[in-house]
Amino acid sequence: SQQGEEDPQALSIQEGENATMNCSYKTSINNLQWYRQNSGRGLVHLILIRSNEREKHSGRLRVTLDTSKKSSSLLITASRAADTASYFCATGRYYGNNRLAFGKGNQVVVIP
Amino acid sequence: SAVISQKPSRDICQRGTSLTIQCQVDSQVTMMFWYRQQPGQSLTLIATANQGSEATYESGFVIDKFPISRPNLTFSTLTVSNMSPEDSSIYLCSVRTSGRQETQYFGPGTRLLVL
Repeated sequence: SQQGEEDPQALSIQEGENATMNCSYKTSINNLQWYRQNSGRGLVHLILIRSNEREKHSGRLRVTLDTSKKSSSLLITASRAADTASYFCATGRYYGNNRLAFGKGNQVVVIP
Repeated sequence: SAVISQKPSRDICQRGTSLTIQCQVDSQVTMMFWYRQQPGQSLTLIATANQGSEATYESGFVIDKFPISRPNLTFSTLTVSNMSPEDSSIYLCSVRTSGRQETQYFGPGTRLLVL
């Protein structure tokens, strides 16, 4: 079954530094989405990258997708204290069971 | 995009009781989902609720425990029945607009504590 799985690391960085987190999955996908969750609240959608795309940018976010390696990375540049959150990747496969499968999440702490 | 609201935002309940969570979307959407997020964990899909059909439950979730209503294209409810402390979680409503490559949006969640 498809499953997004982040590297299970808690990341602690200084404000202004870059933060990188990775996600791997097991089966073919249509797209991969990254979400942010602050303090157990709802998920905020950050970016969607389609399976035929290799890189996508949105503000300070850069997402890459390598379908040959079944992996994705999320880079947050010039981090801010407000970026402190859990980050989840989720893989979309909009055929078959049509579910969005979530990874375990990465906790990022940005120290002011 | 879609703006989703949930009620209540949080609740503390006694075991054996039931709680109904409401999800309201600001636009008509075909697909709605209910997720559970246990403390410190990732999201687990409970069921898919499409208007005009019965909800489809994932393995480990049953209708008697988590009955769902989907009366129209902008609203859904999830009931957590006969609650136990193990049901303490965040419950999240999510929607996906029509299409194959669409973003999935989430509500703010309902934080439930069962004593």
